[in-house]
Amino acid sequence: NAGVTQTPKFRVLKTGQSMTLLCAQDMNHEYMYWYRQDPGMGLRLIHYSVGEGTTAKGEVPDGYNVSRLKKQNFLLGLESAAPSQTSVYFCASSRARSSSYNEQFFGPGTRLTVL
Amino acid sequence: GNSVTQMEGPVTLSEEAFLTINCTYTATGYPSLFWYVQYPGEGLQLLLKATKADDKGSNKGFEATYRKETTSFHLEKGSVQVSDSAVYFCALIPDYKLSFGAGTTVTVRA
Repeated sequence: NAGVTQTPKFRVLKTGQSMTLLCAQDMNHEYMYWYRQDPGMGLRLIHYSVGEGTTAKGEVPDGYNVSRLKKQNFLLGLESAAPSQTSVYFCASSRARSSSYNEQFFGPGTRLTVL
Repeated sequence: GNSVTQMEGPVTLSEEAFLTINCTYTATGYPSLFWYVQYPGEGLQLLLKATKADDKGSNKGFEATYRKETTSFHLEKGSVQVSDSAVYFCALIPDYKLSFGAGTTVTVRA
C-alpha cells in the first residue's frame, strides 16, 4: 500500500496562474482533507470531503476549490494563485469520521511557492 | 472555540537529555488529544493519543497524560536521540475535525 500520495512535490507559480494538486489514497477511506501548513500556525483545514461527490469548506477555504469525483482522489485547485498561498499543502484521509479510533493518515506534502 | 497552544520552539537538546513540550487546550466537551510528529521531508504521523481524562498515551519512548483539571497534554521523553529531531504537533478532536497547535521544532545534537 502506498497510503496517501501527493502530486507534485514542489511547484513554483507566478501570481495569477492556476494549478491543481492531486491527492490519492489506496486505503478505501471515505473522508479526505486538505490542509495548509504555515510557520507558527500549525495546520489549517482548507476543505474536506466525507465521501465521493461531496466537499465542504474548512477553516480557510477562500481562493481554493476542490473536487472528489472518485473516492480515491481529492483534488485541490487554485484558480488564480496569490503570494499569500505560498505554503506547504498536506492531504490526509481517514476511514470514517475522525475520532480517536479513526486516525487521519497524511501525505508527504506539496511545497508551493507563488512569486 | 477549540484551540491548542504549544510551547514555542525551536528546542535544541543534546542526546540523552530529557524533553518536555507543553501543550494546553481549550475545547467544549471532552475532546480526544493527540501528538503528531513530522520528520524532515515527510508528512505527519500519529505519535500517541489519549481519549479521556487521566489516560496516558505512549509510543517510541514518548509519553503524554491527559490532564483535564489543567487542560494539558504535555509530551515527555526521558532520553532523546538524534533520530527524534522533528516537528511535534499537539492536536485535538472535539467533534471530527482536527485542530492543531503551531508545532514545536526539536533538534537533538549528538
